Amino acid sequence: EVQLVESGGGLVQPGRSLRLSCAASGFTFDDYAMHWVRQAPGKGLEWVSGISWNSGSIGYADSVKGRFTISRDNAKNSLYLQMNSLRAEDTALYYCAKGVDPIAVAGTRFDYWGQGTLVTVSS
Amino acid sequence: EIVMTQSPATLSVSPGERATLSCRASQSVSSNLAWYQQKPGQAPRLLIYGASTRATGIPARFSGSGSGTEFTLTISSLQSEDFAVYYCQQYNNWSGTFGQGTKVEIK
Repeated sequence: EVQLVESGGGLVQPGRSLRLSCAASGFTFDDYAMHWVRQAPGKGLEWVSGISWNSGSIGYADSVKGRFTISRDNAKNSLYLQMNSLRAEDTALYYCAKGVDPIAVAGTRFDYWGQGTLVTVSS
Repeated sequence: EIVMTQSPATLSVSPGERATLSCRASQSVSSNLAWYQQKPGQAPRLLIYGASTRATGIPARFSGSGSGTEFTLTISSLQSEDFAVYYCQQYNNWSGTFGQGTKVEIK
């Protein structure tokens, strides 16, 4: 059974940093690209970032480019999102999502999702 | 950016009835269209991809159709577990944008 478990969310002040983690199991982690997708309270879904199987290709939404950094550790079956210079508009539930192929870091669909970790940016 | 517009925002349906949800793209996305189901407090679940292919384990009462800019998700006979929010997503270009969702509620 595919499982994706996010952690690291919390309340943070504007301008500060936070690092999210996602622990994956139930599939061959390094066979797939992985992604972060977020959902602001009461709003729809927004793709944030994606990383290829070997970290050779990475993509970001314009809204987070230059502030967020995605990474993965295939030895630990883990995905990360380093979020710097956080803004109020980054407040959202952040989902870790599995891509359907090894390469596509954007413009793809997601076949499994975690339960999400909540990030609240507020003073 | 490709804008995905879903209608209606809310659909009230009785159990056992058919539900028809629409999704329109601001420009052609070919058949690169997925549908997801999200229940309160749960993660989204992939239902349909390629506009009409059911994902693994998805019941046959869910069907998708369309191509280009107009898409439809049909639930042939609503079960109690189907009351949820449904999102469409285009993955024809980089941004992979989602619609704002259609809430299917019990009539």
